[in-house]
Amino acid sequence: DQQVKQNSPSLSVQEGRISILNCDYTNSMFDYFLWYKKYPAEGPTFLISISSIKDKNEDGRFTVFLNKSAKHLSLHIVPSQPGDSAVYFCAASPMDSNYQLIWGAGTKLIIKP
Amino acid sequence: DTEVTQTPKHLVMGMTNKKSLKCEQHMGHRAMYWYKQKAKKPPELMFVYSYEKLSINESVPSRFSPECPNSSLLNLHLHALQPEDSALYLCASSHGTQYYEQYFGPGTRLTVT
Repeated sequence: DQQVKQNSPSLSVQEGRISILNCDYTNSMFDYFLWYKKYPAEGPTFLISISSIKDKNEDGRFTVFLNKSAKHLSLHIVPSQPGDSAVYFCAASPMDSNYQLIWGAGTKLIIKP
Repeated sequence: DTEVTQTPKHLVMGMTNKKSLKCEQHMGHRAMYWYKQKAKKPPELMFVYSYEKLSINESVPSRFSPECPNSSLLNLHLHALQPEDSALYLCASSHGTQYYEQYFGPGTRLTVT
């Protein structure tokens, strides 16, 4: 069963606007949620994390929101830039498991000039 | 230095060959990982070394054999692979405590013929 879901395979956003990437999870026993960004032919790059006891974390243009009651998190990118075009993976770390991450399927973000 | 390096970048091997993938990091991280990634899918965890000891083996076939010679190096020895093993092999590392923040190398693109 998929514990971390990214239901949008792709998203297209105009440069300068806000990009909102969504992720849902089914298991309440995660202690951290992460976003990774991946360009083609490169390894994923860690972007931002949020602890399960927080509801918001901000780092420059990137903000992650966590809604525990809805089991939903989102990544906001403001303003969107052409270099943000990549695949974004949502991931979660289980409380009872060291080192392992549960990954979503990814969302391909395309920033249009 | 926040880089994880991997060699080779590309590898083509026959089903009877023996080859090795190499990974190196100099960030003082004490956890190192091997992942396998197929196109349009998230990374799949294969092995984790924690303080140079094999911590996790995700039921990977014995034709994949990991080795951690020291805290900076990680190898993956390959033998008698199958065409379905063709994929991008990613190495990553993390601090012992903030394991969810993983730094990935660029990967080795492996093709088994």
